[in-house]
Amino acid sequence: DVKVTQSSRYLVKRTGEKVFLECVQDMDHENMFWYRQDPGLGLRLIYFSYDVKMKEKGDIPEGYSVSREKKERFSLILESASTNQTSMYLCASSFVHTGNTIYFGEGSWLTVV
Amino acid sequence: QQQVKQSPQSLIVQKGGIPIINCAYENTAFDYFPWYQQFPGKGPALLIAIRPDVSEKKEGRFTISFNKSAKQFSLHIMDSQPGDSATYFCAASADTGNQFYFGTGTSLTVIP
Repeated sequence: DVKVTQSSRYLVKRTGEKVFLECVQDMDHENMFWYRQDPGLGLRLIYFSYDVKMKEKGDIPEGYSVSREKKERFSLILESASTNQTSMYLCASSFVHTGNTIYFGEGSWLTVV
Repeated sequence: QQQVKQSPQSLIVQKGGIPIINCAYENTAFDYFPWYQQFPGKGPALLIAIRPDVSEKKEGRFTISFNKSAKQFSLHIMDSQPGDSATYFCAASADTGNQFYFGTGTSLTVIP
């Protein structure tokens, strides 16, 4: 069965802390994505990666960075967390040719206090 | 700029009713239009998808209607059930790119 696993489901961090959100997929997908989901704003793309060590900015990359050292793993990094980064973060993956399904993890709820 | 516009933001129907969620797009390069269903506390999951070479696709109680000339597509849920209560997202992508563009979501509540 298809699996995108986000290791941390619920996190509470303090303002200014460095935060790592980890995502692993077991489908050998080339593409991996990080989205942020907020009420009324839908899913907004933060970063995506189409290959190991490759990354592209999405619509809202400010305040975030990513790392993809292995094909199956894609990490989202908040260098200095701020309260406006309190949100639900969704990792997803897909094969390189769009038109194939994009699979989502179950989400990581981050609260920055 | 929102690449895919979705309406309404929320929808309440009685059990057995037919909720309709609408989406519109501008980029004529889009050629794959999926709908995702998301239950509280879960990630979105693919529900049904369509390509622009057909005007309608049906899977069980879920139907996508597609109007290529108007650049619009919609999701219809026949004989809706309380278990269909969820947030629904439309999306679009193009074979020439690697990105998916999502609508802002519709929160559907089906009242027993």
